[in-house]
Amino acid sequence: AQSVTQLDSQVPVFEEAPVELRCNYSSSVSVYLFWYVQYPNQGLQLLLKYLSGSTLVKGINGFEAEFNKSQTSFHLRKPSVHISDTAEYFCAVDDTGGFKTIFGAGTRLFVKA
Amino acid sequence: DADVTQTPRNRITKTGKRIMLECSQTKGHDRMYWYRQDPGLGLRLIYYSFDVKDINKGEISDGYSVSRQAQAKFSLSLESAIPNQTALYFCATSDRGGRAYYNEQFFGPGTRLTVL
Repeated sequence: AQSVTQLDSQVPVFEEAPVELRCNYSSSVSVYLFWYVQYPNQGLQLLLKYLSGSTLVKGINGFEAEFNKSQTSFHLRKPSVHISDTAEYFCAVDDTGGFKTIFGAGTRLFVKA
Repeated sequence: DADVTQTPRNRITKTGKRIMLECSQTKGHDRMYWYRQDPGLGLRLIYYSFDVKDINKGEISDGYSVSRQAQAKFSLSLESAIPNQTALYFCATSDRGGRAYYNEQFFGPGTRLTVL
């Protein structure tokens, strides 16, 4: 069965600093990978997705992620964070056949002034 | 207007009560899902439906039931609520199998349920 591991449950960072949120997945087949963001008191929304092609994927709000097949990772990065980036971030993978999505446990990003 | 709506947004109930959470969508998607979110556990799938005649259990379906009344409506019921069902519940839709070949999820705003 596929699984998703987010290596950090909380990441505090100062405003304008770079950030990386780590995600590893387990799968023996090709996958589609996603990052979702959940702002306080809201539902999740898609930040970016990897389907195929270029391993560097750009998303909304200046975020990007890099797919690394050999390391089965899909880490999320932003070169300079803002206070408004404070949210919970979920890495997710389409399971085989695309019947459902497997979510990681989430990483809470705190951006401090 | 929101594409995926959930009612109620907040609910406090007592142990043993029957509760229904409702979800409606205007996205025209066939696939609908119910998840619960608990701190540190991420989202766990309760039930999912690929069309009005197709209902499937997820990883944590015990204590829950669902009804797919129409393509646009998917309800989650707790037949006899218990305190460990206190959580944030999300409905989601997907166009996988329709216009999309991947399972991007579109989420409602969530229902915060507290069982006393």
